Amino acid sequence: SQKIEQNSEALNIQEGKTATLTCNYTNYSPAYLQWYRQDPGRGPVFLLLIRENEKEKRKERLKVTFDTTLKQSLFHITASQPADSATYLCAPSYNTDKLIFGTGTRLQVFP
Amino acid sequence: DAGVIQSPRHEVTEMGQEVTLRCKPISGHNSLFWYRQTMMRGLELLIYFNNNVPIDDSGMPEDRFSAKMPNASFSTLKIQPSEPRDSAVYFCASRREGAKNIQYFGAGTRLSVL
Repeated sequence: SQKIEQNSEALNIQEGKTATLTCNYTNYSPAYLQWYRQDPGRGPVFLLLIRENEKEKRKERLKVTFDTTLKQSLFHITASQPADSATYLCAPSYNTDKLIFGTGTRLQVFP
Repeated sequence: DAGVIQSPRHEVTEMGQEVTLRCKPISGHNSLFWYRQTMMRGLELLIYFNNNVPIDDSGMPEDRFSAKMPNASFSTLKIQPSEPRDSAVYFCASRREGAKNIQYFGAGTRLSVL
């Protein structure tokens, strides 16, 4: 079965720096991959989607890359702010109705 | 739009009791998903419905769990009897047809079984 791996350790960075989060998957590549943000006590919120044939996708300060050779997606937040502190989940989709969520990486941006 | 609405937000019950979690999806969305989230296992899909019909319940842990969707605007997840290991946050999400599986989540129900 597919396995999704995200850094379980929290990522602590200083305000203004670029945060980079990693999502690795096993076996075959998903048709597309989504990134969600989850704040404490709340449900995940959709941020970005990238297709298998896309290398990069941007939205404001967010950037997602998708490398099918490395079986990896990277999620970047540039000019990070304390308000970006949250848990970020990656969720590949394999041409089915289902998303498989990683366990998430907690990001802490300190002033 | 009010988003996906779940109730209750918190539920504390004793082992052996029946628990019913409720979800109202976003109007116009035709798919509904139930997830369970724990620290150890992350966010796991339990069951999902398309047009009120259960499609895949392979994530339902055991027969103590059941889910229904009697109409397009309401779904329930029932645990009977509940056990301490069922303690988790349960999320409901909905999706509009043709929306590349982008899902909209409710705020969740935090269940504690004592």
